[in-house]
Amino acid sequence: KAGVTQTPRYLIKTRGQQVTLSCSPISGHRSVSWYQQTPGQGLQFLFEYFSETQRNKGNFPGRFSGRQFSNSRSEMNVSTLELGDSALYLCASSLGGGPKRDTQYFGPGTRLTVL
Amino acid sequence: AQKVTQAQTEISVVEKEDVTLDCVYETRDTTYYLFWYKQPPSGELVFLIRRNSFDEQNEISGRYSWNFQKSTSSFNFTITASQVVDSAVYFCALTPGNRDDKIIFGKGTRLHILP
Repeated sequence: KAGVTQTPRYLIKTRGQQVTLSCSPISGHRSVSWYQQTPGQGLQFLFEYFSETQRNKGNFPGRFSGRQFSNSRSEMNVSTLELGDSALYLCASSLGGGPKRDTQYFGPGTRLTVL
Repeated sequence: AQKVTQAQTEISVVEKEDVTLDCVYETRDTTYYLFWYKQPPSGELVFLIRRNSFDEQNEISGRYSWNFQKSTSSFNFTITASQVVDSAVYFCALTPGNRDDKIIFGKGTRLHILP
């Protein structure tokens, strides 16, 4: 069974631009969560999608948004990039019950650098 | 407030030694879930264990064991007979049990197993 895939793996953007990251969950998984990892703030929850609906949301500004498609694939968008958005963005998929009930499987991440 | 503290930023031990990673959490919820994840150099987080607040039994899985003590709000992780492949960053995490599924991660402990 293929694992969680994230594309692209590396991305370089400049301030003010926008970026879209993609996550393909494990086949059969309906929940996709996104996390931001930085040296300063550590790992922080961004949001979770289930059945094309945002089910949970972390404390990030509205510049961070996401969506989920009918095939459970998810995209995350960051608009008006800031230097502080440089981070490793991790995607995790699970069957659908959330981390309390189902094991989350993580992808390798997308390393975003904002210049 | 919900908080996870991993006081050990970095630990180095020689292979075959035992090592314990500390995790102290704060929550006012009576129902909550605790997790440990491993992040190897490749970047993706790997789920190790999930424990709910009503289950204080310690758990052993091979060389890994976990000690959950509600009295001290700790959920410590011990690796017995460490191996070089155990080198990674280990994260302890907490999620409230009766509201949403936001995971709060500790800052992580970087573990170096020296050959």
